[in-house]
Amino acid sequence: DAKTTQPPSMDCAEGRAANLPCNHSTISGNEYVYWYRQIHSQGPQYIIHGLKNNETNEMASLIITEDRKSSTLILPHATLRDTAVYYCIVRVEATGGFKTIFGAGTRLFVKA
Amino acid sequence: ETGVTQSPTHLIKTRGQQVTLRCSSQSGHNTVSWYQQALGQGPQFIFQYYREEENGRGNFPPRFSGLQFPNYSSELNVNALELDDSALYLCASSLAWDRVFDYGYTFGSGTRLTVV
Repeated sequence: DAKTTQPPSMDCAEGRAANLPCNHSTISGNEYVYWYRQIHSQGPQYIIHGLKNNETNEMASLIITEDRKSSTLILPHATLRDTAVYYCIVRVEATGGFKTIFGAGTRLFVKA
Repeated sequence: ETGVTQSPTHLIKTRGQQVTLRCSSQSGHNTVSWYQQALGQGPQFIFQYYREEENGRGNFPPRFSGLQFPNYSSELNVNALELDDSALYLCASSLAWDRVFDYGYTFGSGTRLTVV
């Protein structure tokens, strides 16, 4: 099973870019990398996903290395409201369908 | 869009009892997944249902079971509750099972289960 490894916590100054790394060294060729975040007491919120190419949307950018063994989520201008736990997720094919694997996530603290 | 609604929001049960948690999927979504999130940890995948059939399961014992109904609402049933079952249970719905983490994958706010 592909698994993800993330640092337990990170700090970022408000207005600066937050770069959150994720290792997924056992990912296979057809498995997407997804990023979600969870603010206290709420369900996880989708941010972005990608397979091979870098992706960008209104929330963030996703940079995936050429060998696909790691990726970085970039929040270009972090705000205090971006303080949350960020999860890097891989969906794994399994018998009868698939299963999803969350890691422990990175707790991002955005400071004024 | 009405989002994903879970009920109840909080629940206290006694060890050995059975519990049923409910999830109302976002309108138009035909896939639902359930997760268990212990305090301070990431969500753990329990299982997923697509068109009323289970099509993926995590490492949870058979006493964790589920149902998806024709209107795509869902239930999570846990028998013989143990103290370690205390957690936040999250439901997430999506439009199709093969791309479930596209934009249409929406999580509910969860049910906080405490087993005493």
